[in-house]
Amino acid sequence: AQSVAQPEDQVNVAEGNPLTVKCTYSVSGNPYLFWYVQYPNRGLQFLLKYITGDNLVKGSYGFEAEFNKSQTSFHLKKPSALVSDSALYFCAVRDTTPYSSASKIIFGSGTRLSIRP
Amino acid sequence: DARVTQTPRDKVTEMGQEVTMRCQPILGHNTVFWYRQTMMQGLELLAYFRNRAPLDDSGMPKDRFSAEMPDATLATLKIQPSEPRDSAVYFCASGLPVGTSGGASSYNEQFFGPGTRLTVL
Repeated sequence: AQSVAQPEDQVNVAEGNPLTVKCTYSVSGNPYLFWYVQYPNRGLQFLLKYITGDNLVKGSYGFEAEFNKSQTSFHLKKPSALVSDSALYFCAVRDTTPYSSASKIIFGSGTRLSIRP
Repeated sequence: DARVTQTPRDKVTEMGQEVTMRCQPILGHNTVFWYRQTMMQGLELLAYFRNRAPLDDSGMPKDRFSAEMPDATLATLKIQPSEPRDSAVYFCASGLPVGTSGGASSYNEQFFGPGTRLTVL
């Protein structure tokens, strides 16, 4: 079965420092991977996706993610954190279950990122 | 700036009452999703539609929940009767058309609405 795991419920980083939010996945076939962000009292917003090609994917707000096939990971990164990056981050994978719509994706449990000034 | 809209934004009701939540997907999007978010369960997929037809509603309690798309501009999620355990934030999301070739480039992200915060007393 397809799944994503976000091992950290919370990540705390000082402003200006690099940040990493971890995600590992389990899929059959080629993985289509996503990161979404949720700010307080808002819906989820798409950040970036990996479908194929370069292992380093660049997305919105200066975020990037590195696809690592051997480690089945898709960690979210940013070189220099901002206080405004504080939010809930979700990793997701496309559901490749037979007969499933290609549109359906499976979300992780979320990681709360807190950036202190 | 196209966006998914949801109404109402907040709903407080009493146990046993009927609740209807509405969603207007982005024009041209052919897939619509309903999610429920709670602290305990996180984000759960309840149902989704493609071209107004329900594809999967296995995540939805069948006895009290129903989801429909009367037309391409409106999706509804109804709870009857509502229970306190239904208290959550309900999100609607829509997606761009998936290419008929099914190739990687045809797969697109979902656009979420602001959510309906439901409280059942």
